[in-house]
Amino acid sequence: AQSVAQPEDQVNVAEGNPLTVKCTYSVSGNPYLFWYVQYPNRGLQFLLKYITGDNLVKGSYGFEAEFNKSQTSFHLKKPSALVSDSALYFCAVRDKSGGSYIPTFGRGTSLIVHP
Amino acid sequence: DAGVIQSPRHEVTEMGQEVTLRCKPISGHDYLFWYRQTMMRGLELLIYFNNNVPIDDSGMPEDRFSAKMPNASFSTLKIQPSEPRDSAVYFCASSFARGPEKLFFGSGTQLSVL
Repeated sequence: AQSVAQPEDQVNVAEGNPLTVKCTYSVSGNPYLFWYVQYPNRGLQFLLKYITGDNLVKGSYGFEAEFNKSQTSFHLKKPSALVSDSALYFCAVRDKSGGSYIPTFGRGTSLIVHP
Repeated sequence: DAGVIQSPRHEVTEMGQEVTLRCKPISGHDYLFWYRQTMMRGLELLIYFNNNVPIDDSGMPEDRFSAKMPNASFSTLKIQPSEPRDSAVYFCASSFARGPEKLFFGSGTQLSVL
């Protein structure tokens, strides 16, 4: 079985400050990990993914995520937040070892960046 | 490419009426997914297709829901009869074959059942 948890429903940060959106996962084998962003009245958009290799993954719009196998985490980060980053962020996981091809999504974290 | 196209963007209907949501996936993608998003339940996978064949419909809430994919470029999600608790945003997504492929989502259909 695979699952993902986003422990924070909402994250508030001031513009210009660093941001972190947390994600932890559970899989039987090794994971593929994804972050998606959803802007108001839009579908989810892919931000970045971890497949293998370097634990720090860089993605769109200046976002990056750090894979930590020992902590089973894949937190999303950005060094300097923008007001336009305000959106709903989803973490997703898929087990590499087979089983279901389908990724499991977290419940989402609302990021609010204050001017 | 225009991306995944869903129609209508908004649908308001009365309880008991039939509702049909439509999706055109990205050309060449062989997986198609239907999701439902609500505040209470978050993002739920309803059903997915591979090469037009339904693979897993365990997420379909009840028999009132049905989905079809008659060809590689079109899918429908039908609710008959609709109920107020079906009010949600319904997303269609598509992707390439197996592997760590990302999903491409449509803009969704906002359904309101009165």
